[in-house]
Amino acid sequence: DTGVSQDPRHKITKRGQNVTFRCDPISEHNRLYWYRQTLGQGPEFLTYFQNEAQLEKSRLLSDRFSAERPKGSFSTLEIQRTEQGDSAMYLCASTGKSYEQYFGPGTRLTVT
Amino acid sequence: QKEVEQNSGPLSVPEGAIASLNCTYSDRGSQSFFWYRQYSGKSPELIMFIYSNGDKEDGRFTAQLNKASQYVSLLIRDSQPSDSATYLCAVKRAAGNKLTFGGGTRVLVKP
Repeated sequence: DTGVSQDPRHKITKRGQNVTFRCDPISEHNRLYWYRQTLGQGPEFLTYFQNEAQLEKSRLLSDRFSAERPKGSFSTLEIQRTEQGDSAMYLCASTGKSYEQYFGPGTRLTVT
Repeated sequence: QKEVEQNSGPLSVPEGAIASLNCTYSDRGSQSFFWYRQYSGKSPELIMFIYSNGDKEDGRFTAQLNKASQYVSLLIRDSQPSDSATYLCAVKRAAGNKLTFGGGTRVLVKP
C-alpha cells in the first residue's frame, strides 16, 4: 500500500520568491488536507479538499496561499511572495471513507 | 484557552514502565479523537484513534476517552527507548473535517 507522498522534501527559497509543493494522496482517498507545523507546535489546518472541490480554508491561508486539486488526485499548494514567517513544515494528509488521516513525509520550507 | 491542551513535557519514563499522557479539549462537539507519534524531524504517524467513551487497546497502547469530562488519554505499557517521541493529540468535530491538534507531549524513555 503506497502512502501519501510529498515533493519536494526540502525547499530553501529567498524571501519574495514563489514556491509550489505537491502532494499525492493514498490511492482512492478522496479527501485531502494541508496542514502547517512550526517548531514545537502541533500541525495547524490550512485547507481541505473532497475530490476536486476545496471545501474549507483556514484563516491562516492568506491571499498569498493557493491550493488546487484539479482532477481529484494530486494537490498543489503554492505560496507567493514568500516571507520568513512562512518557514515551516507543510504536511499533507488524506483519508477515504473513515475519519483517520494519514500524513505524508512533509515538505520543509526555509525562507531566507 | 486552547482548543486542545497537552502538557508539553518532557515526560521521563524508565524503560519498561507505563507512560501516561493526557489531553483535554474544549469543544463539546468533538466526536473523534486521535493520537499521533512524531519523531524529531519526521511527520506525524497515526497510532490510535477512539470514537466512543471507554478504553481501546492496541498492542502496548491504550486510549481512554471520557467525553463528559472532555479528556482523552494514552497509556504506553512496557515503554521502550524507541517510544521516545512527541505524542500529538488531535480531535475532530462531528460537523467538520479538519483535525485540531494539541501542542504535543514529549516523552523520553530512559534505558
